[in-house]
Amino acid sequence: GAGVSQSPSNKVTEKGKDVELRCDPISGHTALYWYRQSLGQGLEFLIYFQGNSAPDKSGLPSDRFSAERTGGSVSTLTIQRTQQEDSAVYLCASSWTMNTEAFFGQGTRLTVV
Amino acid sequence: RKEVEQDPGPFNVPEGATVAFNCTYSNSASQSFFWYRQDCRKEPKLLMSVYSSGNEDGRFTAQLNRASQYISLLIRDSKLSDSATYLCVTLGGATNKLIFGTGTLLAVQP
Repeated sequence: GAGVSQSPSNKVTEKGKDVELRCDPISGHTALYWYRQSLGQGLEFLIYFQGNSAPDKSGLPSDRFSAERTGGSVSTLTIQRTQQEDSAVYLCASSWTMNTEAFFGQGTRLTVV
Repeated sequence: RKEVEQDPGPFNVPEGATVAFNCTYSNSASQSFFWYRQDCRKEPKLLMSVYSSGNEDGRFTAQLNRASQYISLLIRDSKLSDSATYLCVTLGGATNKLIFGTGTLLAVQP
């Protein structure tokens, strides 16, 4: 079956613009995670969903970042008024339930110029 | 202190060598453990889950020591294709989120 799908794969945006990143998890997976990874750095946790609810939003860097998940499936991560420090690869992962292994999408490479 | 700590390396080993990575975690409530590998500019990919009894998958062996809160990965007969960053991951506890170590870089030399 299809894996985790993220779009767009690459996004270049001007500073101050809003961007929306999409994640389509593996069908039937109830848990969904967002991470970001700057060049040469480790994975930074942003948020995770169990179904449509987000029990832990502690990783969102600022109030410019928000995420939602509808229908227990697709999730969108929105960054408002982008800044250069937002440039990174944004990775989405999904798993059947909590406490099971997660599978990653190929990521969205965001560049803010 | 980071929740999951790994030696960043790099580990430079010749082909055919055996190499071992350790990882320590601070949250005693962690319930699940994994090793992922990440190739340069690619997404992390699950290598193997880690069970209390230890588990083996071909040349790879993972061990979990709950009392000491560490996880290990042993790679036997290293191949050039094993060159990657190996990420130690814990899951569970109060927040139920995947916590990644910063990774250990392995470079297998011909």
